[in-house]
Amino acid sequence: SQTIHQWPATLVQPVGSPLSLECTVEGTSNPNLYWYRQAAGRGLQLLFYSVGIGQISSEVPQNLSASRPQDRQFILSSKKLLLSDSGFYLCAWSRKGAEAFFGQGTRLTVV
Amino acid sequence: QKEVEQDPGPLSVPEGAIVSLNCTYSNSAFQYFMWYRQYSRKGPELLMYTYSSGNKEDGRFTAQVDKSSKYISLFIRDSQPSDSATYLCALTRGGILTGGGNKLTFGTGTQLKVEL
Repeated sequence: SQTIHQWPATLVQPVGSPLSLECTVEGTSNPNLYWYRQAAGRGLQLLFYSVGIGQISSEVPQNLSASRPQDRQFILSSKKLLLSDSGFYLCAWSRKGAEAFFGQGTRLTVV
Repeated sequence: QKEVEQDPGPLSVPEGAIVSLNCTYSNSAFQYFMWYRQYSRKGPELLMYTYSSGNKEDGRFTAQVDKSSKYISLFIRDSQPSDSATYLCALTRGGILTGGGNKLTFGTGTQLKVEL
């Protein structure tokens, strides 16, 4: 069976510090991978998606970037965090043309 | 106008009630429809996935899709306190995609509370 791992679960970072969130998927190959951010009352906002190694598409201009160094690894990064980057970040995967499965999320607080 | 509209609630029902959760959408290009359940501070969990008009049943859950009206519903029978969560509808154009991935468009979620 397939599983998705996302860490850390919670993170408190000062403004201006770097960020690296990691997500890995097991039990499947060549998945589509996604990073979402969830704000209260606003649903899930798609930040980045990837259909293959090194292929990243950005949905929203922002202070974040994503990378996919390996087939089942997806990383969300920032060089300098802003207060507005606080939120609940979710990684997800899907097979081509099918439903998505989510990790447990990382709650990021920028102070 | 948002692509997907969902009443945020909160919706409070007594245990054992039938719950109806709904979403409307504006773009007829959406072909695949999902319902997710999300407990507080957790990732969304897939409940139902369907791609055609009509009903799909799984235990106490029934997903209903009406493409002509652009309206989707999730029914929960014999609701339990453990069903208390936020329910998110998600839609996608789906299919075998290349550059577009399989992007989901989410509703804002309906908060449900089932009381004893």
